[in-house]
Amino acid sequence: DTVLTQSPALAVSPGERVTISCRASESVSTLMHWYQQKPGQQPTLLIYLASNLESGVPARFSGSGSGTDFTLTIDPVEADDTATYYCQQSWNDWTFGGGTKLELK
Amino acid sequence: EVQLQQSGAELVRPGTSVKLSCKVSGDTITAYYMHFVKQRPGQGLEWIGRIDPEDDSTKYAEKFKNKATLTADTSSNTAYLKLSSLTSEDTATYFCTTESVNYGGSSFGYWGQGVMVTVSS
Repeated sequence: DTVLTQSPALAVSPGERVTISCRASESVSTLMHWYQQKPGQQPTLLIYLASNLESGVPARFSGSGSGTDFTLTIDPVEADDTATYYCQQSWNDWTFGGGTKLELK
Repeated sequence: EVQLQQSGAELVRPGTSVKLSCKVSGDTITAYYMHFVKQRPGQGLEWIGRIDPEDDSTKYAEKFKNKATLTADTSSNTAYLKLSSLTSEDTATYFCTTESVNYGGSSFGYWGQGVMVTVSS
């Protein structure tokens, strides 16, 4: 299995810039996607193929990376961005990272 | 607008099976590969498997190969997940989700609301 590693939690203030990282155990090219999940809700797609913004997602969200290292950036962070963010690879079947819980100060 | 409507919450006994449904509206199910994802309480997301409703071909994560069975009915635009030999480890929320055949690079664009399965005697 391709293992994806994310830092478990971050805390930032509204208006700041935040980067959430995801490291893959092997190269996944650009077959990396990012999701947001708020408590009690289903996940929603934010970024596909490492850097493509899903339709309807605010331009405050962006993604970058290739190979094994990927980043989701939110700039500026808003109160509504409180959620858990998951990376997902589709190079070798599909696996998710453990999630990064974003809290606002 | 594409919507995925999942069946209701289930309370099931250990050792039994349960079959969950996921109905696609707003598009034909054959425009997508259908996936199911597991989320245990307070935990992360786990991919279970995928079915191509066009030809019923399936792919499963290794740990779910003897646990999950995916089927689809194109006449009703519905995908199904059957879980067998249930234990407390299967207590979780199960989501269905779509992978577009021609958009999004194998990402999961639409999601159902999730269905809670509780395994308890």
